Amino acid sequence: EDQVTQSPEALRLQEGESSSLNCSYTVSGLRGLFWYRQDPGKGPEFLFTLYSAGEEKEKERLKATLTKKESFLHITAPKPEDSATYLCAVRGTGSQGNLIFGKGTKLSVKP
Amino acid sequence: GAVVSQHPSWVICKSGTSVKIECRSLDFQATTMFWYRQFPKQSLMLMATSNEGSKATYEQGVEKDKFLINHASLTLSTLTVTSAHPEDSSFYICSARDHLRDRVFSSNQPQHFGDGTRLSIL
Repeated sequence: EDQVTQSPEALRLQEGESSSLNCSYTVSGLRGLFWYRQDPGKGPEFLFTLYSAGEEKEKERLKATLTKKESFLHITAPKPEDSATYLCAVRGTGSQGNLIFGKGTKLSVKP
Repeated sequence: GAVVSQHPSWVICKSGTSVKIECRSLDFQATTMFWYRQFPKQSLMLMATSNEGSKATYEQGVEKDKFLINHASLTLSTLTVTSAHPEDSSFYICSARDHLRDRVFSSNQPQHFGDGTRLSIL
């Protein structure tokens, strides 16, 4: 059964304090690992897609990496506006294109 | 690009009422749309996959007669919660993939999400 586990559940950082969020996954044939950002009361906003181990993608202060078992979302020198819940999801070969989501990591960045 | 509009954003209604939620892809066509439900501090749970011109595929445990899905065009899917009860109160979110980009580039295009509908049944 495809499964996604994110850690930690919540993370509090000071502005400028870099850290990483973890996403561990088990999937039958990875077709893509997706990172989304979700603000309260809003739908998820797409950030990155990673397809194969060793791949990295960057966007502003965020950098996503992928191994065969997990993905990391690195946040460098975060700002308060980076506060949100970050969701990780996978799509396997057995799916119709639907995503399996983790529960997310709620990030709070204090000024 | 890749904007998904969901309407309404917030509904409060009495128990027994049926509620319709619309999901539109504004600048792309989507043969497939997805409906999720999200409870507080929980992950998005897929309810059903909506296929244009055919029947929706429901996940295990989701009642087909309770959650009616219609995907009549390449840009619109609707979810109707029939005879809603307080336990149906939740945050409902739809998503869609650009099927043309899927065919041209890869089958791993991301899903783009609407802003969700907060449903509260009294």
